[in-house]
This record gives sequence, C-alpha cells and structure tokens, in this order.
Amino acid sequence: SAVISQKPSRDICQRGTSLTIQCQVDSQVTMMFWYRQQPGQSLTLIATANQGSEATYESGFVIDKFPISRPNLTFSTLTVSNMSPEDSSIYLCSVGTGVSQPQHFGDGTRLSIL
Amino acid sequence: GENVEQHPSTLSVQEGDSAVIKCTYSDSASNYFPWYKQELGKRPQLIIDIRSNVGEKKDQRIAVTLNKTAKHFSLHITETQPEDSAVYFCALTGAGASGSARQLTFGSGTQLTVLP
Repeated sequence: SAVISQKPSRDICQRGTSLTIQCQVDSQVTMMFWYRQQPGQSLTLIATANQGSEATYESGFVIDKFPISRPNLTFSTLTVSNMSPEDSSIYLCSVGTGVSQPQHFGDGTRLSIL
Repeated sequence: GENVEQHPSTLSVQEGDSAVIKCTYSDSASNYFPWYKQELGKRPQLIIDIRSNVGEKKDQRIAVTLNKTAKHFSLHITETQPEDSAVYFCALTGAGASGSARQLTFGSGTQLTVLP
C-alpha cells in the first residue's frame, strides 16, 4: 500500500490563527480525501481533493474555512482557517487508487486550539 | 447519500471468545465495505474489506459477511486476544465515476475490549 506522510503530527494553536496540514504520498494517486475525527467520534469527510480542479466539499464544510490545494498527484494540503476551540480534532488524509479499492490513512494531525 | 449504522457501540468479551460487530446501510448502490481498526492515538488501519459481488471473506481470525438483500455486513473476530482491543469502524462507498476512488462513509465505531 501507499506510504502516506502527514505533517505536522500535532500542534497547539491560538484561536483566530490558521494552520496548514500537508499530506505527501509516495506514489501517484487519483483521489485524496480529508477527514476530521473529533474526540471520541467517528470520521467525517471534509472534502475530496481533486488534482487539477477545485476540491469537492461535504455538507457543513466550506472552502473559506478549509481551503485545500492539490497541485499534483502526490501532494495535498488542508488549511484550517480562523481556528476556534471547536476545531480541535484529528485531521486525516487518505488516498484511494480506484473504485472499490482499499483506502489508507496518514497518521493524522492532532490539533488543539486554545 | 450513504448512511451506515453500527452496533454495538461497546463490546467486552473474554479472551478466546468471539466478537461480532454489525453494520446496516440504506443505499443499495453501496458496493465496497471495508473495516478499520483504530488503536488509541493511531490512524485507522484497514483490516479486511469485501466487495458487493462476494458474500463472505476470511483472513485468519477475521471474517466479514455481507447480506446485500438485508443491507447489512458484519465483522467476526474469533479467538480474541487482548491486542484485538481497539475501536473498530465499518465503512462503505457507493458507485462513483468510472475508475475513480470514492469517499468512505463511516459507522459510529465499536469499542472492543478483550478481557484477559
């Protein structure tokens, strides 16, 4: 399976600031996904990062709050903007290689906002 | 869109016993059903998956069954060991654009505790 590197692994931020999370894959993948996992909860999809086009956001998530870049087939970034304590979560990227194929996750970014 | 319900939310078993976790879904177009194990502080790890053209799949002590008619799939762990203790998530994807991966919809998770 693809090796997925995500950084930073954790951060503590002040409210009102922004943080950019990077996801690097060791092979070219068509689709990259960004998920949020709030403390003690399941995973919720934020958006699908499409190479060469705008990201596709799920209901409840907007581009102004979570801008995403996907400059090539091995890299994506997620920015959490104007952070508040409610944004304290684990943010995970995952990659998929095709329909009905396994998806694998990076180690996640544990974000705490004070 | 897809929706998936997972039960139970917590499950405690004695070491050596079996554990079963069940997920039900609503969209008959769902066609791929993975299970993930997440240990505390770690990323979700894929442990087994099944596609809609298969009814059962087994990998050593882990098996997954799929009932498309009833729209449910289950994870079976036999001969449980303390290291099986973790949160288990079911997930699914539906039909998508040809050749493209699809996003996963996750169940709410099951905290499995294997008591020594």
